[in-house]
Amino acid sequence: DAGVIQSPRHEVTEMGQEVTLRCKPISGHDYLFWYRQTMMRGLELLIYFNNNVPIDDSGMPEDRFSAKMPNASFSTLKIQPSEPRDSAVYFCASSFLKGTAYANEQFFGPGTRLTVL
Amino acid sequence: AQSVTQLGSHVSVSEGALVLLRCNYSSSVPPYLFWYVQYPNQGLQLLLKYTSAATLVKGINGFEAEFKKSETSFHLTKPSAHMSDAAEYFCAVTYTGFQKLVFGTGTRLLVSP
Repeated sequence: DAGVIQSPRHEVTEMGQEVTLRCKPISGHDYLFWYRQTMMRGLELLIYFNNNVPIDDSGMPEDRFSAKMPNASFSTLKIQPSEPRDSAVYFCASSFLKGTAYANEQFFGPGTRLTVL
Repeated sequence: AQSVTQLGSHVSVSEGALVLLRCNYSSSVPPYLFWYVQYPNQGLQLLLKYTSAATLVKGINGFEAEFKKSETSFHLTKPSAHMSDAAEYFCAVTYTGFQKLVFGTGTRLLVSP
């Protein structure tokens, strides 16, 4: 299994531009999580999905952030317009609930390092 | 509500010394507890987890943790530190049937020769 795949790995953009981060979860996983990590705020959960449906988006900082999961194998996190304070590493993780010893364990992707100038 | 507290944002040890990273949890229901490790420029990787079976849990790379209900603790230990253990370590809590993990603030382990 290839694990959780995120693209791009690095993104540099200018303030005001739209940024789209992509994630492909592990096949068969029914939960998908988006996190943001910064030195100041640590690891923050932004939103998570179950069976492609958003369950909890209380961590999304503001309306400039949006996330979608159109199918079980793809999710996007969009920032529009981007601001310098959005600079961070964004992680996607996936998991599944039932049936095996791996239940509850979240598998993380390598992250996207976003720099907004 | 659930939470975890990691004591010490930085821990420094010498190579070969005991590693002890502290985690205390708060949960109104029986918890599931996790330790994750993050190496520089990488995502988080599971070290070990407790899900109400044996209280002493062994993980990868020689790490282990003991669940102590009376102390609400789940401290991570390794008998002998190696240079390659230098990383950031996160404790996390959830409970059965619930997928959202609540993470601690992390502890950076520094290993000196």
